[in-house]
This record gives sequence, structure tokens and C-alpha cells, in this order.
Amino acid sequence: DGGITQSPKYLFRKEGQNVTLSCEQNLNHDAMYWYRQDPGQGLRLIYYSQIVNDFQKGDIAEGYSVSREKKESFPLTVTSAQKNPTAFYLCASSIGARGAANTGELFFGEGSRLTVL
Amino acid sequence: GENVEQHPSTLSVQEGDSAVIKCTYSDSASNYFPWYKQELGKRPQLIIDIRSNVGEKKDQRIAVTLNKTAKHFSLHITETQPEDSAVYFCAAVRGANNLFFGTGTRLTVIP
Repeated sequence: DGGITQSPKYLFRKEGQNVTLSCEQNLNHDAMYWYRQDPGQGLRLIYYSQIVNDFQKGDIAEGYSVSREKKESFPLTVTSAQKNPTAFYLCASSIGARGAANTGELFFGEGSRLTVL
Repeated sequence: GENVEQHPSTLSVQEGDSAVIKCTYSDSASNYFPWYKQELGKRPQLIIDIRSNVGEKKDQRIAVTLNKTAKHFSLHITETQPEDSAVYFCAAVRGANNLFFGTGTRLTVIP
């Protein structure tokens, strides 16, 4: 059963704590992404990775960190430096830059809702 | 960078009527324009897309039009049904997966 899996689905954090959100895909996709979704603001890109061991900042990377040690995994750490971390986080993957094979379609996980208490 | 604007932010229509959502983009290098549908509590899913070498694309009750000169594209849903109720996001893609989303439109179809 191919797909992209995020965990946990719900997470509560105290102020000052770091938290890591997991994202795993078995679609053999090269590219992976993290988006933050807030009401009325659409989907904003946090970080993306086109290939293993490489990643780039998106529009709102401050206070977040990522790693891409394996093709299947792209965990996101929300650090204590992120001033307003309460949000819905979506991970996605796509085939990647393979010329004609790249449709650009993103496949999303079901999301992780982080609440800071 | 690219800037994608989407209107309206909310839209209510009677069942059976048509719905139109409009997006504009700023970067003429954008060449791929997908539309995603996100039902309440679920993940966004691609419903239709269009490339810059095409002016219109249809898939049953859904169509997308693109005006490259004016840099705008629209989603048209005909004969709306209650299951069409969702948040719809447009996006513009430039190069290898540089995808920029609009702010979303919450569509409500009233039975």
C-alpha cells in the first residue's frame, strides 16, 4: 500500500520544547516538502528536499529544521525559536525533477496538528 | 518570487449551479497550474491541472482555463453537488517543483 505517512496526527507541546514530526513515503519519490497550513493563509512552504542529503529553505523556514538522510524520510523539527508554532503541518512528496516524468503532482500526508500549550 | 492570488476566499452556491474560482500569478516563467481539493479533515488531492501550452482542459464537471497573457487561470465546476463542498487551492509551478499555492477558497454547496 503506497503512500505518505505522517505521525503523530495530534501533538501537544509546552512552550520552549522542541518537537519532531515524522514523514515517511514509500512512493520512491525524490522530492519531499513540508507545508504549514493556517486558516486564511493557504499552504506555506517551510522546507523542501529535491534529493537525499540536500534540502532548501522555503518561505517560512525560521524556527524549523529538517534532515534528509534517507530517501523515504523527511522529519521536521519545530524548535523553541518558532514564535507561533500552533498549526496544521502537511508533508508531501513528488516524483522530482526527472524531465518529462515530472508531473509536478504533490502527494500529501494526512497532516499533523501541533498545539502549543 | 512567484505570487499567487486566489478569489474568492469563500463561495456558496445552490446545488446544481456553477462555481468559478479565479487565480492570478506574477511570474511568466510559471508553466504548470494544478488545482487541489481539500475536504474537511482530509489531505489535499489533485483534481485537475493544466500546462502553459494549453488554454483549457475539462474532466467531467470540472474545467480549468488559462490565459497566459493576462496571467490568470480559473477553475469551473458545473452542476455542483454537496460532495463538491471543500477548500480548493490553486497553484503555479515554475521549474522543478517550485510550487506556489493560492490562499484557498472554501466552497459550500447548499442542498
